[in-house]
Amino acid sequence: QKEVEQDPGPLSVPEGAIVSLNCTYSNSAFQYFMWYRQYSRKGPELLMYTYSSGNKEDGRFTAQVDKSSKYISLFIRDSQPSDSATYLCAMTLMEYGNKLVFGAGTILRVKS
Amino acid sequence: DTAVSQTPKYLVTQMGNDKSIKCEQNLGHDTMYWYKQDSKKFLKIMFSYNNKELIINETVPNRFSPKSPDKAHLNLHINSLELGDSAVYFCASSHGVSSSYEQYFGPGTRLTVT
Repeated sequence: QKEVEQDPGPLSVPEGAIVSLNCTYSNSAFQYFMWYRQYSRKGPELLMYTYSSGNKEDGRFTAQVDKSSKYISLFIRDSQPSDSATYLCAMTLMEYGNKLVFGAGTILRVKS
Repeated sequence: DTAVSQTPKYLVTQMGNDKSIKCEQNLGHDTMYWYKQDSKKFLKIMFSYNNKELIINETVPNRFSPKSPDKAHLNLHINSLELGDSAVYFCASSHGVSSSYEQYFGPGTRLTVT
């Protein structure tokens, strides 16, 4: 079993839809939870991060962490064609020398 | 100004050759990373340096050797290239180890071994 599981998709939605992207994880010690966005043939870029449990909102994006269920989500409201990308969840223990563990990424396609 | 740059962007080479990939960041960050992304988009850490000190060394064949001449540069040398080394290699940096959740990635080097 992988430490972080993420459905690779692709997920195809019409413009304006609400998108829900999810990851589950097995290591209950993870403390920081991140969402990175990767456009085709580009490097990943950090969208949002959350420390421990709870919600965080940034414009059209909302990140949720449920540590009791070991489940994190990213919601995108009013999705746009420019949101079409691969979304990677990542998490870490944040101890010295500790690494980010990434999910496999979900391919999102927003159709106009 | 490019924050994290990598050279070359594309590298096509034959099995058995030795090659190097270079990375530079102009963000003033202390910590740099090398990742490998395979054909299924799975991104995996290989190495990390903090202030030129190796702090993460994942289970990677010893044909791969990182070198950090200074805080702003992290190079990756690969000996005796194999078909399975074909992937996209990303360099990244963060302000420090304590902010490793916020990493800035380079554009990647697409390595094809034939």
